Amino acid sequence: DTGVSQDPRHKITKRGQNVTFRCDPISEHNRLYWYRQTLGQGPEFLTYFQNEAQLEKSRLLSDRFSAERPKGSFSTLEIQRTEQGDSAMYLCASSLREREGRTYEQYFGPGTRLTVT
Amino acid sequence: KNEVEQSPQNLTAQEGEFITINCSYSVGISALHWLQQHPGGGIVSLFMLSSGKKKHGRLIATINIQEKHSSLHITASHPRDSAVYICAVRTSGTYKYIFGTGTRLKVLA
Repeated sequence: DTGVSQDPRHKITKRGQNVTFRCDPISEHNRLYWYRQTLGQGPEFLTYFQNEAQLEKSRLLSDRFSAERPKGSFSTLEIQRTEQGDSAMYLCASSLREREGRTYEQYFGPGTRLTVT
Repeated sequence: KNEVEQSPQNLTAQEGEFITINCSYSVGISALHWLQQHPGGGIVSLFMLSSGKKKHGRLIATINIQEKHSSLHITASHPRDSAVYICAVRTSGTYKYIFGTGTRLKVLA
């Protein structure tokens, strides 16, 4: 399967614990996005990477959130000192970089569902 | 007011009906996406538009840049079309995408 993969698919943690999620994009895709989706809502943009560079971060991404893409391939999203409000589906998507004015579609991973108890 | 609004929020149709889902946005965009999300969370990109109209099978998507409006049409709807349909726009000059809250479609046999 050459799609976007995310690990783990489900995570249950206690409030105050740290969690880390991993995203493996489609191999030739140099753009990688993280989103958060709560029940009944559309996804919300968290951050974006082009290769290893984090080019944009949402105000939603508080100090407790950090994302990396060290070698421009897989990415990790860490949440420190989790709170119950962090419970959500965390989605990763990847795409090719724009060329000659053409925007390419995003391919989404299956998501990691986080439950903070 | 959300920057991307969809209507209706919920839609129930009988199999075979023609369905229209609307998306209006208030920001400048470089592209608009229509996405399909099934129970369990998996999201699939249906269309990406920057102008005009696209068709894929029974699905048609249109966009009017001047009116900041897009529609997704499903012809000859089928129960397997039951899903949440989400409109997302890429804002001009950024890499940021803004998503609508989705339209929950249920097609009855």
